Amino acid sequence: DAKTTQPPSMDCAEGRAANLPCNHSTISGNEYVYWYRQIHSQGPQYIIHGLKNNETNEMASLIITEDRKSSTLILPHATLRDTAVYYCIVRETRGYALNFGKGTSLLVTP
Amino acid sequence: GAGVSQSPSNKVTEKGKDVELRCDPISGHTALYWYRQSLGQGLEFLIYFQGNSAPDKSGLPSDRFSAERTGGSVSTLTIQRTQQEDSAVYLCASSFGTNPYEQYFGPGTRLTVT
Repeated sequence: DAKTTQPPSMDCAEGRAANLPCNHSTISGNEYVYWYRQIHSQGPQYIIHGLKNNETNEMASLIITEDRKSSTLILPHATLRDTAVYYCIVRETRGYALNFGKGTSLLVTP
Repeated sequence: GAGVSQSPSNKVTEKGKDVELRCDPISGHTALYWYRQSLGQGLEFLIYFQGNSAPDKSGLPSDRFSAERTGGSVSTLTIQRTQQEDSAVYLCASSFGTNPYEQYFGPGTRLTVT
């Protein structure tokens, strides 16, 4: 699976949009981009995934660049409960195990 | 609906003892995964079950680790002759199928080997 690069930490003010970047320059055509998060002392939680097109659900939006070499997870109105480690994972269609890496520790402040 | 459940939530055991960790996946999910997360570390894949196929055991760290999945539902991860380095949070996840279906995780079992 392709390797991803994320900043180790980010801050965001409550109520503002949190934009979490991810670089995956070696991604291949059949690899999906997944985002998960892990709140302290809990199991990871699925957020969103996409292949080529931008995606939106009730939790977040996923913006994938046209060349697919990077993506951004957007939490439109961050709350204190969004404080967590966010993982960007690139996963081939035949794959099943998730390689979580280090992720980005997002701190949402009042 | 009910999510993935794991039991026990916490387990303290003495070095050398055997332990069993249980996972109840989401009903209807055919794929089941075990991961572990050591303190301050990322998640490490252990084993994967898909339907009636032979499990992928490629992530198991030693032959002291084994897992079963009975009736395509409940799974048990067994660690024999536990060592202190086995201390970690053991996480179970299930999914409707393989990629691109998302995995849903349980709350984990925190294992402490003294």
